[in-house]
Parts: sequence; structure tokens; C-alpha cells
Amino acid sequence: DVKVTQSSRYLVKRTGEKVFLECVQDMDHENMFWYRQDPGLGLRLIYFSYDVKMKEKGDIPEGYSVSREKKERFSLILESASTNQTSMYLCASSPRLAPYNEQFFGPGTRLTVL
Amino acid sequence: RKEVEQDPGPFNVPEGATVAFNCTYSNSASQSFFWYRQDCRKEPKLLMSVYSSGNEDGRFTAQLNRASQYISLLIRDSKLSDSATYLCVVNDSGGGADGLTFGKGTHLIIQP
Repeated sequence: DVKVTQSSRYLVKRTGEKVFLECVQDMDHENMFWYRQDPGLGLRLIYFSYDVKMKEKGDIPEGYSVSREKKERFSLILESASTNQTSMYLCASSPRLAPYNEQFFGPGTRLTVL
Repeated sequence: RKEVEQDPGPFNVPEGATVAFNCTYSNSASQSFFWYRQDCRKEPKLLMSVYSSGNEDGRFTAQLNRASQYISLLIRDSKLSDSATYLCVVNDSGGGADGLTFGKGTHLIIQP
């Protein structure tokens, strides 16, 4: 089975702190994604990566950056956390197969910024 | 961004009943379609892909109507464990990494 793990299930940070969210997948998938999920807004794509050291902006990249130094690991960075970044963050991965590219999700990190 | 619309519900349905909900998508060039299930405070997981000819998996049937640009999910003989949020997902780009667009989900509650 594909396994996607995220470094923390729950995280509490203060405004202005730098926050790192880590995601690791064990199925040699090329594609990796970071989403945030908020009530009433659904899943929104922040950034994605289709290869090592490659990254593309999603729908809401402002206030975030990412790093993909190894194929299995995709990090989301909040340079200076703000209260409006309180959310559930979900990482996902998928193989680079067309046209059916199911995404496999990690368990999520619920981040609270005080 | 392409749109995927779902009725948020909640749909309150007695155990054993049949329930169906639809999802509409705006991009006529969309290439593939999925239903994901998300339990409370859990991650989304693929329930089933939706094929042009329609497909069935046990009590679940998915249909695609390209002319009207909607997909549907039918659940027969509903169980308490079917209570979840069902996300409609559309692939716009034929396999590209950024191609999936998620609906906001339909909340289903199966009542004893």
C-alpha cells in the first residue's frame, strides 16, 4: 500500500514564526502536492512538484514556499506564520501516469497559528 | 480555475435507503473523474474512478454524463459506515500534475 506520512498531526505556532511541514511518500511517486482544507472552501492547492527540485504554484501560493530536494520528500514552509494560515494541511502524491492519476493523501497536519 | 460544484448537504438518509448525488463540472475538456470519500478528521481516499460507460463497485454506482457535464454517485442499501463527505474530483489536464480539481464535498449522514 502507498503510504504518505506527515511530520505532525497537530501543530501550534505563534504569529511570525517560521513553520516547516514535512511530507514523505514511500511509493517512488513523481508528483507531490500540498493542499489546505478549510470549512466551506474545500481543498485548495498551494504548491505541487512533478520532480526533484521542481515546483509549481497552485491556486493559493502566497505566504508559502516549498522544497523538494529528494524524490520522496516534499516540504511546505510558512516563512512568517499568520493567523489566516490556521488550517488543515494535506500532502498528497501520485504517479506520473495519464490519464488516471489517483492522489494518495497523508493524514494531515492541523496547524493553529496564535 | 475550473469549477466543480456539489450540493454540500447534509443529506440525512435512513439506513438501508438508496441515496444519489450529483456533481457538475465546467470544463467540457475534462478527461477523467473520481469520487473520493473523506471521513471526519481524516484524509480523502479514492472511492472509485468514473468511467464513460459507468461503473459499479458493490453497492456503489458511478455515472458520467458528458453532454450535461455531470457525474453521479448512487449508494444502495446504505450503511451507517457510509456516513462521510464525498468529494467529486475532475482531472482537467489528461494526467498533468496540477490537473485535479476538487469539489467542496457532499456531507452524507446515514441514520439508524
